[in-house]
Amino acid sequence: RKEVEQDPGPFNVPEGATVAFNCTYSNSASQSFFWYRQDCRKEPKLLMSVYSSGNEDGRFTAQLNRASQYISLLIRDSKLSDSATYLCVVNNRGDSSYKLIFGSGTRLLVRP
Amino acid sequence: DARVTQTPRHKVTEMGQEVTMRCQPILGHNTVFWYRQTMMQGLELLAYFRNRAPLDDSGMPKDRFSAEMPDATLATLKIQPSEPRDSAVYFCASGPGSIGRAIYEQYFGPGTRLTVT
Repeated sequence: RKEVEQDPGPFNVPEGATVAFNCTYSNSASQSFFWYRQDCRKEPKLLMSVYSSGNEDGRFTAQLNRASQYISLLIRDSKLSDSATYLCVVNNRGDSSYKLIFGSGTRLLVRP
Repeated sequence: DARVTQTPRHKVTEMGQEVTMRCQPILGHNTVFWYRQTMMQGLELLAYFRNRAPLDDSGMPKDRFSAEMPDATLATLKIQPSEPRDSAVYFCASGPGSIGRAIYEQYFGPGTRLTVT
């Protein structure tokens, strides 16, 4: 079983739609969580950290469910520019603690 | 706008040649990471440093790869000799590595696209 699992997609949605991605992680000791965004042929970029209380940044909302060991990312009012691959990322307590474990990514295509 | 920089951005070389990739982390960051990304394997961690000391290089083929941090502003990744299977995008990332909520965040450079023929 992979440490971080994501649906690879692609999610194909029209502009203005709301789309949600989920990600599950296997290590219950995981302590820090992130969503990164990667455009084609570009580097991963930190989109947002995910806090226990959940957090929102404009059209993006991230939630953490520790009991079920999953993280979600909600994108409202999708824009064409949101088309990218979204990487779910986890840090594990006590395991060379600065390492991040990256999921394989979920691809989002926003169409006009 | 602080960024991680990497050179070269593209490198084409023949099998058997030495390849050196360089990275300048964000000023003040004390963790530096080297990753490799291919379509088949996704993003793989090769090695990382904290305060210039190597902490983990278990993801790196030791016989041909080496990673160093000669000073706080420069990290290098060398492949000698290079092989066609080393063709990939190599990313460097740096992070604050200090107390606080941002401790584990990582910021990536633009990558070096390596092709070994």
